[in-house]
Amino acid sequence: GAGVSQSPSNKVTEKGKDVELRCDPISGHTALYWYRQSLGQGLEFLIYFQGNSAPDKSGLPSDRFSAERTGGSVSTLTIQRTQQEDSAVYLCASSLSLYLTATDTQYFGPGTRLTVL
Amino acid sequence: QKEVEQDPGPLSVPEGAIVSLNCTYSNSAFQYFMWYRQYSRKGPELLMYTYSSGNKEDGRFTAQVDKSSKYISLFIRDSQPSDSATYLCAMSQGNYGQNFVFGPGTRLSVLP
Repeated sequence: GAGVSQSPSNKVTEKGKDVELRCDPISGHTALYWYRQSLGQGLEFLIYFQGNSAPDKSGLPSDRFSAERTGGSVSTLTIQRTQQEDSAVYLCASSLSLYLTATDTQYFGPGTRLTVL
Repeated sequence: QKEVEQDPGPLSVPEGAIVSLNCTYSNSAFQYFMWYRQYSRKGPELLMYTYSSGNKEDGRFTAQVDKSSKYISLFIRDSQPSDSATYLCAMSQGNYGQNFVFGPGTRLSVLP
């Protein structure tokens, strides 16, 4: 079946512009996660959704970052007034529920590579 | 000190070698441990999931957890060029997805 998809795959923008990144999770997955991956860094957790609700937004790096999820499905991560330090790969993952097991695990999308000039 | 540390590599080995990949961590409360494989320009995919200490084997892969030393390992036997990827460890106190902390990853190259 279809996995997690993300769009665009690559995004080049100018400093100060807003960008919107999209994630389509696996159908039926109630949990959705956003991570940021920079060269040499681990996956930095940004935010998660249980259904349409984001209980904890403390992982977002600044108030320029926001995310929403609608219909328990598609999620968008918006970065306003982009800065060069925002350049990274943004990964989305989904899972059947928040409780991960060997069989009910996170499935990652291919990521959006963001470059801020 | 980072919560989870990994040697970033790159680690280059000849085909057929046994590979040992390791992570150390500082939080003694971690009980759930995972290993992910990430090919270039792809998202990570789960390889191994273990709870608490001990070994777990799946085909050519063995995951080992030593909680007393706060050290986990992933062994790959009979390594293949297709194993060339970045390997990430992840761990958490509980099995809530949002709480897993990832290491920076080790880049592995298996040379034919």
